[in-house]
Amino acid sequence: QKEVEQNSGPLSVPEGAIASLNCTYSDRGSQSFFWYRQYSGKSPELIMFIYSNGDKEDGRFTAQLNKASQYVSLLIRDSQPSDSATYLCAVNMFSTGGFKTIFGAGTRLFVKA
Amino acid sequence: EAQVTQNPRYLITVTGKKLTVTCSQNMNHEYMSWYRQDPGLGLRQIYYSMNVEVTDKGDVPEGYKVSRKEKRNFPLILESPSPNQTSLYFCASSPAKNTEAFFGQGTRLTVV
Repeated sequence: QKEVEQNSGPLSVPEGAIASLNCTYSDRGSQSFFWYRQYSGKSPELIMFIYSNGDKEDGRFTAQLNKASQYVSLLIRDSQPSDSATYLCAVNMFSTGGFKTIFGAGTRLFVKA
Repeated sequence: EAQVTQNPRYLITVTGKKLTVTCSQNMNHEYMSWYRQDPGLGLRQIYYSMNVEVTDKGDVPEGYKVSRKEKRNFPLILESPSPNQTSLYFCASSPAKNTEAFFGQGTRLTVV
């Protein structure tokens, strides 16, 4: 079982719709959770981070964390064609050397105009 | 401008020829790491460093070396590159553990 799993997609939504991206993780001791957006050929950039159970909203983006069920999700409201990218879920887990960051393989999102 | 700078951006080399990819950050971050990104596998951590002279292996360290002699620099060394190290490499830095990562522009390496 992969430590951080995402549906690879592609996920296709019409412009203006809500895009829902999901991620599950295996380590119950995980402390912090991140969503990055990566355009083709570019480096990942942070969209949101969440540390506590519940929802966290920032503009059109909402991150949801459920530690009991070990999943974290990202909702994108009013999706725009410019949101078309790969979304990476990342989880920080404690390790013997301190901590390590495990990334999911990413979900490709297409927003159709 | 706060940034993580990698060089070179593109590199084609031959099997066995030692190479170094440099990474430098100007944000005074303690934590730095190297990742490789391959299709379908996502980002995998190669090595990371918690501070100067403190480094540790990530998930895929074989064939790579790193050093952290200064806080701002974290070079990735391939002593004897092989074709299976052809990949897109990213350096990243974080202000502290458990915080978000800031990524460099990436280095696309091809080993023939």
